[in-house]
Amino acid sequence: AQSVTQPDIHITVSEGASLELRCNYSYGATPYLFWYVQSPGQGLQLLLKYFSGDTLVQGIKGFEAEFKRSQSSFNLRKPSVHWSDAAEYFCAVVGSQGNLIFGKGTKLSVKP
Amino acid sequence: DAGVIQSPRHEVTEMGQEVTLRCKPISGHDYLFWYRQTMMRGLELLIYFNNNVPIDDSGMPEDRFSAKMPNASFSTLKIQPSEPRDSAVYFCASSLTDLGPHNNYEQYFGPGTRLTVT
Repeated sequence: AQSVTQPDIHITVSEGASLELRCNYSYGATPYLFWYVQSPGQGLQLLLKYFSGDTLVQGIKGFEAEFKRSQSSFNLRKPSVHWSDAAEYFCAVVGSQGNLIFGKGTKLSVKP
Repeated sequence: DAGVIQSPRHEVTEMGQEVTLRCKPISGHDYLFWYRQTMMRGLELLIYFNNNVPIDDSGMPEDRFSAKMPNASFSTLKIQPSEPRDSAVYFCASSLTDLGPHNNYEQYFGPGTRLTVT
């Protein structure tokens, strides 16, 4: 069965520092992968998605993610974090019936 | 488009009462999902519909929960009777899922309903 693992529950970075959030998936075929962000008190918003093609995907708010089949990973990165990036981030993979299977999420805190 | 609309945004009720949460998906979308989010359990998929038909309700916690989608523009999630452990944020999401070459599975989330059962 498909699954998504986000090994880091909570990460704290300093403003201006680089960020990498980890995501590993389990899926037999070529996965369709997503990153969503949830700001406090809000719903989930799509950051970026990977279906095929270039393995480095650009998203909104300066985020990017790289699909690595050999590592079954789809890590999210940002070169310089802003205080407004503090939120919870969810990785997801499309399941066999068209639904999304979400990871448990990584909460990002940003130090001034 | 106004996006996915959920009502009410906040609901406070007493244990034993019936609670009905409502969702209007984005027009034209053919999938609708209900999720529950808590600190302890994270984001859980409760049930989802395709073309108004329930596809998978294995995430519904127990018989006190029921969901309906009478038409393409409206869905309800009902809890009867409600219990304090049902306190959570409930999200509705919709998608236009194309299993063909366009490969679009993006889900659009509503703002959620924060339910408190006392």
